[in-house]
Amino acid sequence: AQSVTQPDIHITVSEGASLELRCNYSYGATPYLFWYVQSPGQGLQLLLKYFSGDTLVQGIKGFEAEFKRSQSSFNLRKPSVHWSDAAEYFCAVGTPMDSSYKLIFGSGTRLLVRP
Amino acid sequence: EADIYQTPRYLVIGTGKKITLECSQTMGHDKMYWYQQDPGMELHLIHYSYGVNSTEKGDLSSESTVSRIRTEHFPLTLESARPSHTSQYLCASSESYLRYFGPGTRLTVT
Repeated sequence: AQSVTQPDIHITVSEGASLELRCNYSYGATPYLFWYVQSPGQGLQLLLKYFSGDTLVQGIKGFEAEFKRSQSSFNLRKPSVHWSDAAEYFCAVGTPMDSSYKLIFGSGTRLLVRP
Repeated sequence: EADIYQTPRYLVIGTGKKITLECSQTMGHDKMYWYQQDPGMELHLIHYSYGVNSTEKGDLSSESTVSRIRTEHFPLTLESARPSHTSQYLCASSESYLRYFGPGTRLTVT
């Protein structure tokens, strides 16, 4: 069965610093991979997705993620964090060719931004 | 921009009351979902639907029920609210793997 792990519950970075949020998955083949962001009091918004092809994926709000098959990882990065990036971030995994389109969500990482 | 709506956004209600959380989408998506989100942020799928008159229970057992009489509408009902139902409830819709989430309903049962 597939699973997804976000090992960091909280991360604090200074505004302007770079950011990397970790996501590891367990699946026998290459899954579909997603990052969502949740601002306080809001639903989840899709940041980016990976289905196939180029392993470096660009998303909205200046975020990118890199799929590394050898490490079973899909880490989210941003070169310079803004105070408005403070939010919860969720990694999710889907099984290709699954007609139910089921997604497994990680437990989330809360990003705090120091001024 | 996806259009999926949830009402109410916040609800404080006493134990034993019946409540219905509303969820509507205007995208014509067949698939809709209800997630319960713990205070620690983790999302748990409690119900889903693949179309009209189709409903299934999710990974997390829930005392709530759902119905899908119209494509755009997927309400969740609690017959008798209890303090253990206090949580945030997120509705989502999709055509494939891309989920579009509503803003959520934060429920507090006193």
